[in-house]
Amino acid sequence: AQKITQTQPGMFVQEKEAVTLDCTYDTSDPSYGLFWYKQPSSGEMIFLIYQGSYDQQNATEGRYSLNFQKARKSANLVISASQLGDSAMYFCAIKDTDKLIFGTGTRLQVFP
Amino acid sequence: GAGVSQTPSNKVTEKGKYVELRCDPISGHTALYWYRQSLGQGPEFLIYFQGTGAADDSGLPNDRFFAVRPEGSVSTLKIQRTERGDSAVYLCASSLIITDSYNEQFFGPGTRLTVL
Repeated sequence: AQKITQTQPGMFVQEKEAVTLDCTYDTSDPSYGLFWYKQPSSGEMIFLIYQGSYDQQNATEGRYSLNFQKARKSANLVISASQLGDSAMYFCAIKDTDKLIFGTGTRLQVFP
Repeated sequence: GAGVSQTPSNKVTEKGKYVELRCDPISGHTALYWYRQSLGQGPEFLIYFQGTGAADDSGLPNDRFFAVRPEGSVSTLKIQRTERGDSAVYLCASSLIITDSYNEQFFGPGTRLTVL
């Protein structure tokens, strides 16, 4: 069975600094996809970035990048130049057939 | 364009009652998913529709939970004989299904269900 582990319940970062949110996964499938979602206090899940297991390069989307280390089964999210609006819950997920399997999330707080 | 919408945004009910939660997916999205998010947890998969049919209902916790999507668009999640443990945020998501694409899921704002 697929599994996602996020070991950081909470993280703090100062505005304009970079922060890394950890995610490790477990799967026996040779082909898989990894997602990161942001959940602000409003509750809606917002898609941030995707990494396919066969992608040659680490995914990037604006200030978001994914540090994908396949041998270590990790897919850490890096947020550069943090902004106050980045304060939210962040969830890592792996696709299992058609559904997403989520981790328990990391609460990021950005302070001035 | 309009995103995924869910109604009601909040629902308070008493133990043993029946509730219906509605999801309007993004127009044209053939895939629809229901997830449940308990406090302090990530969303947990309940059921997935491809068109009108439930392609995967392996996440439904028991036979008190049922979902329909009769016309391949709007879906209703139905919970019978609600229990206090059913209290959670119920999230709906939709996506296109395109071969060789990662088919991002777009989520609605959720329905917060409280069972007293």
